[in-house]
Amino acid sequence: EAGVAQSPRYKIIEKRQSVAFWCNPISGHATLYWYQQILGQGPKLLIQFQNNGVVDDSQLPKDRFSAERLKGVDSTLKIQPAKLEDSAVYLCASGGTSGSWNEQFFGPGTRLTVL
Amino acid sequence: GIQVEQSPPDLILQEGANSTLRCNFSDSVNNLQWFHQNPWGQLINLFYIPSGTKQNGRLSATTVATERYSLLYISSSQTTDSGVYFCAVERRTGFQKLVFGTGTRLLVSP
Repeated sequence: EAGVAQSPRYKIIEKRQSVAFWCNPISGHATLYWYQQILGQGPKLLIQFQNNGVVDDSQLPKDRFSAERLKGVDSTLKIQPAKLEDSAVYLCASGGTSGSWNEQFFGPGTRLTVL
Repeated sequence: GIQVEQSPPDLILQEGANSTLRCNFSDSVNNLQWFHQNPWGQLINLFYIPSGTKQNGRLSATTVATERYSLLYISSSQTTDSGVYFCAVERRTGFQKLVFGTGTRLLVSP
């Protein structure tokens, strides 16, 4: 089966600009996650969706970050305006099938550089 | 929140050697996963192992949930095993939120 798709793979912007990332989860997965991974650290959860509802956005900097999941499938994560410290890899994951029902599968990520 | 500690932080091996990576966690968990992050940044699922033992080729993992640790064994290491190995856990209470450890950086030299 196809994995989690993300685009773009790389993005370079200047501070105060805006940027958006897209994610398409594995077909049938109800749960979608966005993680931020800063160089040298493990991924940190930003937001979790169950279908098209937000389950957990406690670590999302809501003054500049927003996310939506239209129709419970694809999702977009936006940063506006970007800061230097937002330079990181943004990973999308999905999960929620039978069997190992809460196993998460990750996309290739989007590497963001803010200059 | 739950704490996840991995050891060792860095490991250098000669090709063909065996190794053991450890993950300690501070609370009861529903989910424990081991990932390999390759040099291109892709997180690859190795094991979903909240308890028990699993094997997949040269890799195996054991989680002792009652003692709050998990071990990842790599046998006959190859250069393609290089990268960062992450353990991630989900607390038994609360939502399906994976908390990652700081990782073990492995370099396998030929």
